[in-house]
Amino acid sequence: KQEVTQIPAALSVPEGENLVLNCSFTDSAIYNLQWFRQDPGKGLTSLLLIQSSQREQTSGRLNASLDKSSGRSTLYIAASQPGDSATYLCAVRGGSQGNLIFGKGTKLSVKP
Amino acid sequence: GAGVSQSPSNKVTEKGKDVELRCDPISGHTALYWYRQSLGQGLEFLIYFQGNSAPDKSGLPSDRFSAERTGGSVSTLTIQRTQQEDSAVYLCASSLAGTGASYGYTFGSGTRLTVV
Repeated sequence: KQEVTQIPAALSVPEGENLVLNCSFTDSAIYNLQWFRQDPGKGLTSLLLIQSSQREQTSGRLNASLDKSSGRSTLYIAASQPGDSATYLCAVRGGSQGNLIFGKGTKLSVKP
Repeated sequence: GAGVSQSPSNKVTEKGKDVELRCDPISGHTALYWYRQSLGQGLEFLIYFQGNSAPDKSGLPSDRFSAERTGGSVSTLTIQRTQQEDSAVYLCASSLAGTGASYGYTFGSGTRLTVV
């Protein structure tokens, strides 16, 4: 059974810092991995989608990497801003299931 | 539409009542998913529809929960005889295809259900 773990559970950084969020999964047989952002009381916003054949994806200040064989992904946020404060969720889409399996998220707080 | 639409955005109901939550997926998306997010918890998979195939109901927590998808588009999640532990945000997502495909999900804004 696929399990997704996100470390740390919470992170507080000063504005301007570069930071890395970690995601690990137990079954490397995945189709893709998706990073989402969730603001308090809101739904999920897709940030980056990495296919199983890809190593990384970039969007603006965000860069997500995928090492499928080791079951790991990282989300790198450059030059963090207070507006980046949110919960970041990692999810994998497995080979035997159609649904995404989510981690519990990392709650990020960027202090001005 | 441009995105996944869910209604109502908020619902307060009395314990024991039935509720219906609605999801309008993105036009052309054949796969539709329901998830539940309880306070402080991760996202819990409930049910998955793919085209005209029988739905994957493996995540439904009890027989009080059911869902339909009419005409391969709009979906309704029904909770009968609601209990306080059903209070959560119910999120719907759609995707271009289901198992075996590499498409990402698009989520709606969710319905916040409070059972009093």
